[in-house]
Amino acid sequence: EDQVTQSPEALRLQEGESSSLNCSYTVSGLRGLFWYRQDPGKGPEFLFTLYSAGEEKEKERLKATLTKKESFLHITAPKPEDSATYLCAVPHSNSNSGYALNFGKGTSLLVTP
Amino acid sequence: SAVISQKPSRDICQRGTSLTIQCQVDSQVTMMFWYRQQPGQSLTLIATANQGSEATYESGFVIDKFPISRPNLTFSTLTVSNMSPEDSSIYLCSVVWGSSYEQYFGPGTRLTVT
Repeated sequence: EDQVTQSPEALRLQEGESSSLNCSYTVSGLRGLFWYRQDPGKGPEFLFTLYSAGEEKEKERLKATLTKKESFLHITAPKPEDSATYLCAVPHSNSNSGYALNFGKGTSLLVTP
Repeated sequence: SAVISQKPSRDICQRGTSLTIQCQVDSQVTMMFWYRQQPGQSLTLIATANQGSEATYESGFVIDKFPISRPNLTFSTLTVSNMSPEDSSIYLCSVVWGSSYEQYFGPGTRLTVT
């Protein structure tokens, strides 16, 4: 059965304190792993897609990496505006539509000044 | 990048009534989807909105409860029928361009059922 597990559930950082969020997954035939950012009261904002182990992508203070079993979202020198919930998702292997995304429960990040 | 809008942004409805949510994209898309995000939970796919044909529903969701229309490549509606308090959620549409699995989300509709 497909599973996406994110840890920690919540993370509080001081401004400038780097850390990593984890997304472990179990899926038959990975067709991409997606990272999103969600601010309160808004829809998820697309950040990255990773397709194969060893792949890395960067955007500002964020860097996403992928292995065969998990992905990490590294946050370097975070700022308060990075506070949000970060979601990872993989395509379902048994969705009726073939395109459904199976989302983890997210990591709620709070960066304090 | 394209703009995805949803109407209404929020609503408070009485038990037993129905609400139709609209999703509009400012460019043609390959696929459109409807998700539900219950309080404190992550996103769950309700169905894929197929242009000109019946929607494809995920396990646990049925057409009588969540009828969906998609008359063209830029517009879709989701109706939440015969609502109960358990239907209180954020409802989100998402879209795909081309053959990628990357999905882009609208701002969501926050529904409260009393």
